[in-house]
Amino acid sequence: EIVLTQSPATLSVSPGERATLSCWASQSVSSNLAWYQQKPGQSPRLLISGASTRATGVPARFSGSGSGTEFTLTIDSLQSEDFAVYYCQQYHNWPPYTFGQGTKLEIK
Amino acid sequence: EEQLVQSGAEVRKPGESLKISCQGSGYSFNRFWIAWVRQTPGKGLEWMGIIYPGDSDTRDSPSFQGQVTMSADKSNNTAYLQWSSLKASDTAIYYCVRQRDYYDAFFDVWGRGTLVSVSS
Repeated sequence: EIVLTQSPATLSVSPGERATLSCWASQSVSSNLAWYQQKPGQSPRLLISGASTRATGVPARFSGSGSGTEFTLTIDSLQSEDFAVYYCQQYHNWPPYTFGQGTKLEIK
Repeated sequence: EEQLVQSGAEVRKPGESLKISCQGSGYSFNRFWIAWVRQTPGKGLEWMGIIYPGDSDTRDSPSFQGQVTMSADKSNNTAYLQWSSLKASDTAIYYCVRQRDYYDAFFDVWGRGTLVSVSS
């Protein structure tokens, strides 16, 4: 089973600034990595697939990068609606597909 | 609009059975795999397995094999997740999600989740 480790667990950033979230895989997942955003009381929402492809309707301030074992989700010019929990998920090896434990992005 | 509508919250006692549902609309439900994902405060998001509603083919996560049963009714665009004997540790939110493709296995449509509470 591939283990995904996200860091930091909590990230405090001011609105308008940039947030950088990391996800490390215990073995290579190539580019088979997705990012999701979850707000309180809501289901997760797909942001990024294929490590860097934004899902339909996702603002351009969200960008993903990386391949192999190291991945980054960058959010430029943070808006109030961006403060949420973010998860990475690998779909390279299964079963099972696995998720990271999440990074909580909070307002500084 | 593509959506998955899940059944409402359930409260059960240990040892009881339960079946929750997930109905798709706005797309060809029978042509996409449906996954079930469990969310708990302790273990986060866990992929439980997938079912192809077109022919009810399933793939299970080893962690959940034998613990739950996935099924589907393609005539009603509905997938189901059921337990024959619930445990307190089954308390969680269960999401049904659309898997984009068999190989591109990311999840692009999510249901709102069904909260299952198991307590004596």
